Amino acid sequence: RKEVEQDPGPFNVPEGATVAFNCTYSNSASQSFFWYRQDCRKEPKLLMSVYSSGNEDGRFTAQLNRASQYISLLIRDSKLSDSATYLCVVNRDNYQLIWGAGTKLIIKP
Amino acid sequence: SAVISQKPSRDICQRGTSLTIQCQVDSQVTMMFWYRQQPGQSLTLIATANQGSEATYESGFVIDKFPISRPNLTFSTLTVSNMSPEDSSIYLCSFSDGHGNQPQHFGDGTRLSIL
Repeated sequence: RKEVEQDPGPFNVPEGATVAFNCTYSNSASQSFFWYRQDCRKEPKLLMSVYSSGNEDGRFTAQLNRASQYISLLIRDSKLSDSATYLCVVNRDNYQLIWGAGTKLIIKP
Repeated sequence: SAVISQKPSRDICQRGTSLTIQCQVDSQVTMMFWYRQQPGQSLTLIATANQGSEATYESGFVIDKFPISRPNLTFSTLTVSNMSPEDSSIYLCSFSDGHGNQPQHFGDGTRLSIL
């Protein structure tokens, strides 16, 4: 089993729709969780950290479920510019991050 | 947050040659990392660049192939040695602001093609 697993997609979603991704992780001792966004041929950029209580940043909401060991990302009112690959990232130990393979999102007009 | 720059942004190299990639951060950072990303794949950690000591390599990566330097808290280099077509990839450096539960921030990456 991979340490971090994501549905690779692609998710084809009409503009304005709501879309959600899940990501599961295997290390129950993980403490840090992040969602990154990677545009084609670009470097990954931090989208948001994921906190135990869940957190929201504009149209983006992240949730953590420790019991089931998954994190989720919800995007509301999707925009064309949201098209990208979304990477789920979980820490392995004090400084190492484990990267999911990414979920590709395509927003269609 | 600190700004990180990486160069070269891309290169095309001959088989058997070596290339050194540089990564510069505009302020002192605790941790610096080197990753490889194959086309369509996620990031694979090559090594953690430790200031003042030898880098810590991940399974499958060795110092002879990927020597790393980190002479101070703002700069690191990765050399891809004796390159073969299998080394064609994107190489990324990143840093984190401290220990523990900190996210990492990336340079623009180096797109490397080996002929």
